[in-house]
Amino acid sequence: QVQLQESGPGLVKPSETLSLTCTVSGGSISSYYWSWIRQPAGKGLEWIGRIYTSGSTNYNPSLKSRVTMSVDTSKNQFSLKLSSVTAADTAVYYCAREGPGYCSGGSCYVRMTFDIWGQGTMVTVSS
Amino acid sequence: QSALTQPASVSGSPGQSITISCTGTSSDVGGYNYVSWYQQHPGKAPKLMIYDVSNRPSGVSNRFSGSKSGNTASLTISGLQAEDEADYYCSSYTSSSTLGWVFGGGTKLTVL
Repeated sequence: QVQLQESGPGLVKPSETLSLTCTVSGGSISSYYWSWIRQPAGKGLEWIGRIYTSGSTNYNPSLKSRVTMSVDTSKNQFSLKLSSVTAADTAVYYCAREGPGYCSGGSCYVRMTFDIWGQGTMVTVSS
Repeated sequence: QSALTQPASVSGSPGQSITISCTGTSSDVGGYNYVSWYQQHPGKAPKLMIYDVSNRPSGVSNRFSGSKSGNTASLTISGLQAEDEADYYCSSYTSSSTLGWVFGGGTKLTVL
């Protein structure tokens, strides 16, 4: 059973770079899109962006100038960097998988949904 | 890309049915059958309840159902139970500005 675990500093200073890693266990990171999603306290979910295992990325236009995602298939990990953070970036950060994969009619596909989520990690931006 | 529009709150009594709407545009909800619904209890990660507009993952109660008409998707919960009290979020694939995902603002379901 695939599980995701976020890790990284829980406290980041304003103007610095937030760095988080998501470790995939119980399955391969290959051939899936992996996303970062955040949720400020008491507010809704915001999609930050996603990365495919080839390294191809898509970012939320509102955050694109500050976001960098990367993937390390040898470690079954993918990462998020968010630069020039402010208090508005304080949130619970989730990693999630687009899936699952399935096969039909001789071809295989991936479900367009977030089927697996990490437990989330709280990141506070404060001096 | 703008967030999808959901009502802030809905409520119902045990045994009743409720429906939560999720309104987007032709670039997201109206353009793709990739609408999902997630349930989130306090302090927990979201849980997938509906994908591809109306499909339930294995293990999700058949009391949960989804549909779509034009740019608006809906989640219906029948036979409300106390454990259904949670926040519900819709999401849709989008081609507005970039290829990716957009979420609704969330709906707080209260079981009276």
